[in-house]
Amino acid sequence: AQSVTQLGSHVSVSEGALVLLRCNYSSSVPPYLFWYVQYPNQGLQLLLKYTSAATLVKGINGFEAEFKKSETSFHLTKPSAHMSDAAEYFCAVSDQGDFQKLVFGTGTRLLVSP
Amino acid sequence: EAGVAQSPRYKIIEKRQSVAFWCNPISGHATLYWYQQILGQGPKLLIQFQNNGVVDDSQLPKDRFSAERLKGVDSTLKIQPAKLEDSAVYLCASSFPGSSGANEKLFFGSGTQLSVL
Repeated sequence: AQSVTQLGSHVSVSEGALVLLRCNYSSSVPPYLFWYVQYPNQGLQLLLKYTSAATLVKGINGFEAEFKKSETSFHLTKPSAHMSDAAEYFCAVSDQGDFQKLVFGTGTRLLVSP
Repeated sequence: EAGVAQSPRYKIIEKRQSVAFWCNPISGHATLYWYQQILGQGPKLLIQFQNNGVVDDSQLPKDRFSAERLKGVDSTLKIQPAKLEDSAVYLCASSFPGSSGANEKLFFGSGTQLSVL
């Protein structure tokens, strides 16, 4: 069965520092992988998705993620954190097609300090 | 463009009571999903509709949960009777098929936060 593991329920960075949120997946077939962001009292918003076209995926708000099959990872990065990046981030996987039956990780809360 | 609308925003009930949530997807979106997000966990798919038909309800606790999308537009999710463990945020999402036929992007509503006391 497909699944994702997000390492670290909370990640704290200083404004301007590198953001690294970790996600490892498990799938018996080539997966579709996604990163979503959830701001307080709002719905989930798609940051980026991987669908085998390119291993390095660029998303909105300066985020990007790299698919590494050998490590079964899809970590999310941003070179320089901004205060507005503080939110909950979810990694998700699907082995049934683009946006089909997504399985989400438990989420990582990103805290950004001045 | 209007987003996915959900109501109510909050609901507090006692266990064994009934509750219903409403979702209006983005106009033209054929696919509608209900997710349950328990505090500290990621969203879990409960049911997926394609127009007014159920595509997947394998994770819906059918002894107490029901959902319908009679006219293929808005949808209701009902819990009867509610249990303490049903306390969660219930998220509705919708999507539309792209030129390839595959769904393109999920749009989520803000959710209904349910507290069962």
